Amino acid sequence: GQNIDQPTEMTATEGAIVQINCTYQTSGFNGLFWYQQHAGEAPTFLSYNVLDGLEEKGRFSSFLSRSKGYSYLLLKELQMKDSASYLCAVRANDYKLSFGAGTTVTVRA
Amino acid sequence: KAGVTQTPRYLIKTRGQQVTLSCSPISGHRSVSWYQQTPGQGLQFLFEYFSETQRNKGNFPGRFSGRQFSNSRSEMNVSTLELGDSALYLCASSFQPGQGAETQYFGPGTRLLVL
Repeated sequence: GQNIDQPTEMTATEGAIVQINCTYQTSGFNGLFWYQQHAGEAPTFLSYNVLDGLEEKGRFSSFLSRSKGYSYLLLKELQMKDSASYLCAVRANDYKLSFGAGTTVTVRA
Repeated sequence: KAGVTQTPRYLIKTRGQQVTLSCSPISGHRSVSWYQQTPGQGLQFLFEYFSETQRNKGNFPGRFSGRQFSNSRSEMNVSTLELGDSALYLCASSFQPGQGAETQYFGPGTRLLVL
């Protein structure tokens, strides 16, 4: 089966930077996704990594190391609206998408 | 372009009943995946359909089934409901089955409560 671990909760101050780590053990690897989910809403796509390295998209960046089975999502210049759950998901060789339990980020003024 | 729609949004059933949930993908998307989300287990993959065929299946009992129609709309059915089936059921659509950067777009979900 797939094993995807990420911290349960993180708290940070408005304007700060937060890094959400994700480690995974899967049957093969075909890409890693990060999704954002606000309470009561559907997950929305944030980023995709399939090769090692950093992908930057505005205030959000995602990093991948396939050899270490490790990824992180970096949120910069935090805003109150960034308070949400962040889901790490890995697509294995069978093309199924497996999700971590999610990290709830709380941004405080 | 309209997003993924799911009906109904909320549903209350009793143990032993059955339920059918519906999902309409984004126009032009032919792949539909279903997930169950609970506070304890997070998002868990149920199944994926493409061109009316089930391509992938998660580790759920046979009480959970689904189908896809020629217009790419999909339904999932849960028979003999159990209390533990209470969850948010999410549908996600993509242009084709997951390959490369192919992204899934999620609907708002159907919140099912089993009493």
